[in-house]
Amino acid sequence: QSVLTQPPSVSGAPGQRVTISCTGGSSNLGAGFDVHWFQQLPGTAPKLLISENTNRPSGVSDRFSGSKSGTSASLAITGLQAEDEADYYCQSYDYTLSGWVFGGGTKLTVL
Amino acid sequence: EAQLVESGGTLVQPGGSLRLSCVASGFIFSGQSMNWVRQAPGKGLEWIAYIKSTGEISHYADSVKGRFTISRDNAKSSLYLQMNSLRDDDTAVYYCARGRGSSVISTHIFDPWGQGTLVTVSS
Repeated sequence: QSVLTQPPSVSGAPGQRVTISCTGGSSNLGAGFDVHWFQQLPGTAPKLLISENTNRPSGVSDRFSGSKSGTSASLAITGLQAEDEADYYCQSYDYTLSGWVFGGGTKLTVL
Repeated sequence: EAQLVESGGTLVQPGGSLRLSCVASGFIFSGQSMNWVRQAPGKGLEWIAYIKSTGEISHYADSVKGRFTISRDNAKSSLYLQMNSLRDDDTAVYYCARGRGSSVISTHIFDPWGQGTLVTVSS
């Protein structure tokens, strides 16, 4: 059971918009710690997608955006493309665990 | 461009030991904290260890505390993970990841990640 909760899977047709939720608690997201999002393409290492709730690193498409409010965060992907098929993970810091925690991951399928 | 390359993963028997390595390039290794994150087959990501840039402070997840030791050699731009008393549930791909950010570790951003090295614990 992950400290951060994500839906196991989401899907959408090419061109559509999908969102992936990430729900935490009072010791992580609710305590004001930032959320970061990672994309893991099949057979590859995770790659930073969104940092500090809303920031896109250089080279990341503006089709990806992040938001955070209270104990929840969301990743939105617009204009879905086949190349977006991947696993997506949220991450934050947890002060009761004195370490970093990840969501269980969400598998995105482009129909 | 910052890059990380892990090595050392192999098949090991339960109760055995193994040392993983991660070599950094493209950034000033001695100025950055580092982490190990693992991913069991078909499962999600699990942070397991952190070490400060100077090597004087480290933190561990409860799942590995007392069995694993993170260390670094800044002169060689290298990060290590000594794994002892290995169990079946330690089977995973192990990634090293730079923790970039301020001196406040809770703000650190894991970027980049290495390609990972597979550790299989089985008799």
